[in-house]
Amino acid sequence: DTAVSQTPKYLVTQMGNDKSIKCEQNLGHDTMYWYKQDSKKFLKIMFSYNNKELIINETVPNRFSPKSPDKAHLNLHINSLELGDSAVYFCASSSLPRLAGGLSEQFFGPGTRLTVL
Amino acid sequence: AQKITQTQPGMFVQEKEAVTLDCTYDTSDQSYGLFWYKQPSSGEMIFLIYQGSYDEQNATEGRYSLNFQKARKSANLVISASQLGDSAMYFCAMRINQAGTALIFGKGTTLSVSS
Repeated sequence: DTAVSQTPKYLVTQMGNDKSIKCEQNLGHDTMYWYKQDSKKFLKIMFSYNNKELIINETVPNRFSPKSPDKAHLNLHINSLELGDSAVYFCASSSLPRLAGGLSEQFFGPGTRLTVL
Repeated sequence: AQKITQTQPGMFVQEKEAVTLDCTYDTSDQSYGLFWYKQPSSGEMIFLIYQGSYDEQNATEGRYSLNFQKARKSANLVISASQLGDSAMYFCAMRINQAGTALIFGKGTTLSVSS
């Protein structure tokens, strides 16, 4: 009964290819995210979706396109892959806090290690 | 600008000792949340503890406690009675806006626990 799942766990591909990473959560959360962890382990938000609508889109190349077919899924499509896209990509989900400043724990998926050759 | 700073790239501690991992933050918002996550070598992100900006008491979760000093904008993680399994990377994070509730992360601290 995995809370947040991602597929695939590992993805090795050539430069210029197009690839997708899938994410699903079974927690009933209304907000989902994509984070990128670079080779120095730095984690940065890429996108945030609330009820299938894009809320946050950080300065990410438009080669990256998130797609949310429903509240439980947030997939990440990457076109024309570049060497610099090699990283670990984490999907996460949370509910909105009930109170301002309240807890809304983010549950992370296991990560997808993308290697671009 | 919202920012999280972790100044300790690495920390070393012996088993059963307590260790404090430092975290300072910068935000002009009155309402925010502070999180600590653990990332072992296997790579998953494990939620440890949370402190809301309006919480008057320091958060505690088992061996983890958060030393929250609002005036100093610090949210240090204290691990009591360290165990070998605590060896991992630890990230401090802050929720950056109410609508998206995304997190911004510090650069992390690698904790090594020895026997």
